[in-house]
Parts: sequence; structure tokens; C-alpha cells
Amino acid sequence: QKEVEQDPGPLSVPEGAIVSLNCTYSNSAFQYFMWYRQYSRKGPELLMYTYSSGNKEDGRFTAQVDKSSKYISLFIRDSQPSDSATYLCAMSVPAGQNFVFGPGTRLSVLP
Amino acid sequence: DTAVSQTPKYLVTQMGNDKSIKCEQNLGHDTMYWYKQDSKKFLKIMFSYNNKELIINETVPNRFSPKSPDKAHLNLHINSLELGDSAVYFCASRPQQRAGGTEAFFGQGTRLTVV
Repeated sequence: QKEVEQDPGPLSVPEGAIVSLNCTYSNSAFQYFMWYRQYSRKGPELLMYTYSSGNKEDGRFTAQVDKSSKYISLFIRDSQPSDSATYLCAMSVPAGQNFVFGPGTRLSVLP
Repeated sequence: DTAVSQTPKYLVTQMGNDKSIKCEQNLGHDTMYWYKQDSKKFLKIMFSYNNKELIINETVPNRFSPKSPDKAHLNLHINSLELGDSAVYFCASRPQQRAGGTEAFFGQGTRLTVV
């Protein structure tokens, strides 16, 4: 079993839809959870960052962490064509030097 | 001002050649990384340096040798390039961890094609 799993997609949705992106993980020591967005031919950029369990909201984006299920989600409300990108989840243990990334989900939001 | 910059952006070279990729960050971060992203977009860590000291060295062929001349630079030298080395290589930097996790900032990537 891979340490972090993520449905690679591609996922296509119409503009305005609610998008749900998910990752599961196996290492219960992970405490820091991140979502990165990567546009084509660009480097990943941080979108959301959460510590331990709970929800975090930032504009149209909501990140959820359920440590008991080892499951994290990113919700995008009112999706826009500009949201079309690959979304990568990443995780880290406390004081860990490394992030472990999921394989990424490619999202297309169709106008 | 670009926070993490890599050169070159594109690199096409023949099998067997030796090449280097350079990375510089102007964020004052202590930790720098090299990641490899394959055609399926999977980002895998290769090396991590903290204050010029090698911290992480994943299972990477010894044809790959990182060098950190100072805290702001982390270069990657690859000897005897093989077809399977074709990928996008990302440099990243991160502040020294204190209480816990912090954001990593990525460069724009170097697309390496070995022919």
C-alpha cells in the first residue's frame, strides 16, 4: 500500500459545480496536511494548510482532515475554469524534513 | 522577484552525457529539496539539505549528486544520463521547522528530456 493515495482522475466538471478531491494515507503520525495546486508546466503552489483534524476555509476552498479515518478532502465551491489544474495532497510528520505527496488529481472545469 | 529559481527551464540531451541543474532561493530558508516528477505527475523526493548538510538521500542512483555551496543554492549534477531520467525536476525550499510543518516553495521546474 502506498503511503498516500489519491484518485488521479482526470475529473471533469461544469463551471459552478462543487468539486471534492480526496486523499487517504496510511501513516498515523502525519499531523500536517497540505493541498498544492499545479498548473501545467508550473511548480506546485500551496493552496491550503491544516494541522491535525478539523476544517479550514479560505474563500471558495475548504480543507477537511479526518485523522480517525486517515482521510483528507479539499472542496472547491463555484468552480471556475481557472481552477483547472492538478491538485496534490501532501503530508508531514511533526518536525519532519520531508513532505509525502499524493500522485495528484487532474481537474478540468469546463465553461 | 522569483523566490525559488531553477536553470535551465528545459534541457534536452543525449544518453550518456553529464548535466547540471542549478537552484537558488532568495527567501532565506534553511532547507532545500530536489524532487522528481514523472509523467504521471507523481512528485518524489530525491534529496534534502539543511544549512548545506545532506539530510535526506532517498533511493536515487549515485549518478545523481547534489551540491550545496551555500544555504541559498542547491545544484543537481547527473552523470551518464539515461532515458529513464527524463522527467521534471523541481527544487523547493522551506524555512527551518520550529513547532511543526511549514510551507515549501517550489521552483518552476526543469524539464529534462534524454534522447
